[in-house]
Amino acid sequence: AQSVTQLGSHVSVSEGALVLLRCNYSSSVPPYLFWYVQYPNQGLQLLLKYTSAATLVKGINGFEAEFKKSETSFHLTKPSAHMSDAAEYFCAVSDRATGSTLGRLYFGRGTQLTVWP
Amino acid sequence: DAGVTQSPTHLIKTRGQQVTLRCSPKSGHDTVSWYQQALGQGPQFIFQYYEEEERQRGNFPDRFSGHQFPNYSSELNVNALLLGDSALYLCASSLVDRASLYFGPGTRLTVT
Repeated sequence: AQSVTQLGSHVSVSEGALVLLRCNYSSSVPPYLFWYVQYPNQGLQLLLKYTSAATLVKGINGFEAEFKKSETSFHLTKPSAHMSDAAEYFCAVSDRATGSTLGRLYFGRGTQLTVWP
Repeated sequence: DAGVTQSPTHLIKTRGQQVTLRCSPKSGHDTVSWYQQALGQGPQFIFQYYEEEERQRGNFPDRFSGHQFPNYSSELNVNALLLGDSALYLCASSLVDRASLYFGPGTRLTVT
């Protein structure tokens, strides 16, 4: 089975500072990778995804992530944090295999991002 | 374009009772997945439905069952509720064999 490790359950940054949220996965083959954001009392919103194209993926709200196969990592970054970025962020992985396994996501435990004014 | 909708928003049940949660997928989507998110945890996959059949299932007991209707909407049923079933239950929809899931706002279930 796939697994995802998010390093740091809480990350705090100042408004305008770089945001870096770490994600490492374990998989025998390069999987599909995702970042989701969850605001309080809401469901999950897809920020970005890596499926097979460019290793640097750009998402919504100025976020991007880079797939590094050698490091089995998919870290999420944003050059300048905004107060509205405060939320919980989840990294997830899905099998590449065709057929019934697609759509099953394995999530990390999440990283709570706090942005200070 | 309506996104994924879930009902009810909140629910309080007693141990041993049964509960049914409902989900309507995003317009055009034919596959529905259910996830359980315990407090402070990432979502855990329960099962996935396509063409009114369960395609795959996570590590959840048989007390958790589901159904998909011809209009692609879905229900999650949990029997003999335990305190540990208290969680946010998320429904996600997608096109079959597509990697991107779209999540609903969830149903918060509290078991007392």
